[in-house]
Amino acid sequence: GDSVTQMEGPVTLSEEAFLTINCTYTATGYPSLFWYVQYPGEGLQLLLKATKADDKGSNKGFEATYRKETTSFHLEKGSVQVSDSAVYFCALSVNTGGFKTIFGAGTRLFVKA
Amino acid sequence: DADVTQTPRNRITKTGKRIMLECSQTKGHDRMYWYRQDPGLGLRLIYYSFDVKDINKGEISDGYSVSRQAQAKFSLSLESAIPNQTALYFCATSETGTGDNQPQHFGDGTRLSIL
Repeated sequence: GDSVTQMEGPVTLSEEAFLTINCTYTATGYPSLFWYVQYPGEGLQLLLKATKADDKGSNKGFEATYRKETTSFHLEKGSVQVSDSAVYFCALSVNTGGFKTIFGAGTRLFVKA
Repeated sequence: DADVTQTPRNRITKTGKRIMLECSQTKGHDRMYWYRQDPGLGLRLIYYSFDVKDINKGEISDGYSVSRQAQAKFSLSLESAIPNQTALYFCATSETGTGDNQPQHFGDGTRLSIL
């Protein structure tokens, strides 16, 4: 069945370090892929998205590329800040035989000053 | 997202009680969703509605029901609450777009505890 697998956290980095959070998926059809971010006490906010193979989503210094050949959508940022501390969710949406939206379990990121 | 408002924000209740969680939106979106979030499990879809007359079960609809009273309002009910329904509940909305490429906009959640 359809699924999203992302790396377990927590991930702890120092400020200005490079960030990668891995995400792989399985899906029937051609899903759209998303990264959402959740700050404490808040709902999820869209960080970026990609809707077809080889698309690159980017926002606030974060990037992710839709890789159909490896069924991956890894999140990267070149230099993290303390304010990036949050939980990050990879997700897919697909409408094949009915609408589905599947979220990964989330990866908590701590950034130390 | 202030455009998606959930009430109440917190609720503690007892096993067997009927509970309603409410969601209203000012974004003008046709699509609305209810999720629950449990630690280590991410978000799981309970119900979704693509317009006022449309209601669909999600991944984990057992024990829940919904009502889409208007384009802007979508409520979730637990007819007889049980402790394993203790979770953080989110409402979300999205535009109707091509395929499923529209992002969802979330409320701030309702923390529900069932004793």
